[in-house]
Amino acid sequence: AQSVTQLDSHVSVSEGTPVLLRCNYSSSYSPSLFWYVQHPNKGLQLLLKYTSAATLVKGINGFEAEFKKSETSFHLTKPSAHMSDAAEYFCVVSDTRSGGYNKLIFGAGTRLAVHP
Amino acid sequence: NAGVTQTPKFRILKIGQSMTLQCTQDMNHNYMYWYRQDPGMGLKLIYYSVGAGITDKGEVPNGYNVSRSTTEDFPLRLELAAPSQTSVYFCASTSKGGRPNTEAFFGQGTRLTVV
Repeated sequence: AQSVTQLDSHVSVSEGTPVLLRCNYSSSYSPSLFWYVQHPNKGLQLLLKYTSAATLVKGINGFEAEFKKSETSFHLTKPSAHMSDAAEYFCVVSDTRSGGYNKLIFGAGTRLAVHP
Repeated sequence: NAGVTQTPKFRILKIGQSMTLQCTQDMNHNYMYWYRQDPGMGLKLIYYSVGAGITDKGEVPNGYNVSRSTTEDFPLRLELAAPSQTSVYFCASTSKGGRPNTEAFFGQGTRLTVV
């Protein structure tokens, strides 16, 4: 069965410093992986997705993630945090063998706090 | 662009009451989903629909019902509210099903408290 583990429930950084949000996945076949962001009182928004075309995936707002098959990881990074990045981030794997619908398996989420 | 719209945004229910959470999308997506999000947990799938007139259970369907009479609308019904249904509910849609890398579009969520 597929699963996703987000290794940190909370991450706190200072504005202008790098961000690292960690995600490990478990999948018996080549996974489809996503990062979604949820700002307070907002719906989830897609940050980026792994398409298997390239292991380094660039997303919106300066975020990127690297797919590492040997480590079964898909960590999210950003070189310099901005106050507006404060939100909850979800790592998601898509089970495309679900038989007709997109079964999304969510990690528990990582809450990112950004301090001045 | 409206995308996926949910109403209401907040609701407090008494135990045993019923209510319907509304969800509508204007992207002509065939696939729609209802999730619940509990504190410290990822989203869990309640029900999904692959098109008008077709619905099926997800991981946590007990205590809920859905219908899909049109492509646009996918309401979620709670018949006898229980404290365990206190959660944040998200509606989502996708253009395709069972395809890799398909983006899901989410509504803003409904925060429901059952007391």
